[in-house]
Amino acid sequence: DAKTTQPPSMDCAEGRAANLPCNHSTISGNEYVYWYRQIHSQGPQYIIHGLKNNETNEMASLIITEDRKSSTLILPHATLRDTAVYYCIVSGVDTGKLIFGQGTTLQVKP
Amino acid sequence: NAGVTQTPKFQVLKTGQSMTLQCAQDMNHNSMYWYRQDPGMGLRLIYYSASEGTTDKGEVPNGYNVSRLNKREFSLRLESAAPSQTSVYFCASSRDRVGNEQFFGPGTRLTVL
Repeated sequence: DAKTTQPPSMDCAEGRAANLPCNHSTISGNEYVYWYRQIHSQGPQYIIHGLKNNETNEMASLIITEDRKSSTLILPHATLRDTAVYYCIVSGVDTGKLIFGQGTTLQVKP
Repeated sequence: NAGVTQTPKFQVLKTGQSMTLQCAQDMNHNSMYWYRQDPGMGLRLIYYSASEGTTDKGEVPNGYNVSRLNKREFSLRLESAAPSQTSVYFCASSRDRVGNEQFFGPGTRLTVL
């Protein structure tokens, strides 16, 4: 599975969009990009995933570059409850294996 | 619908003791997973079970055994606990391996003295 690179930490003002980048330059053609988050010490929570098209759900949007070497998770209106560690994971769709790196700690500030 | 449940929530063991961590899901999922998370680190996969009756090793299987008791339950056993196994253990499940949307339990915090 391809490795990912994320900034260790980011801040965002409450109510503003949070844009979390992820580099995955060695991604292969059949690998998806997944995003999870972990609030405090709880179990991780699935957010969104995509292959090459941009995706949107009720939680977030995922923008994947055309060459698929990087992506951005967008939380459109961040709240204090979005303060968490966000993990970008690249994995084959049928492997069932998620390799968690150290993620980005997002701090949403009032 | 409780999702993924884990017992116990907390446990303290002495070196050499054994114990079993229990996990159950009520979502009729086929696949189940065990991860560990050390302080300040991401999760690492210990073992997984793609379907009832099958188990496979993950990244860090040494020192652990698993049992997929039935479709609902997946247990993790430490035969002889070591201080290096002090960690938070998360169980997860997914409908199947396709899609990789995994649902996680609340975790078991294990300390080995």
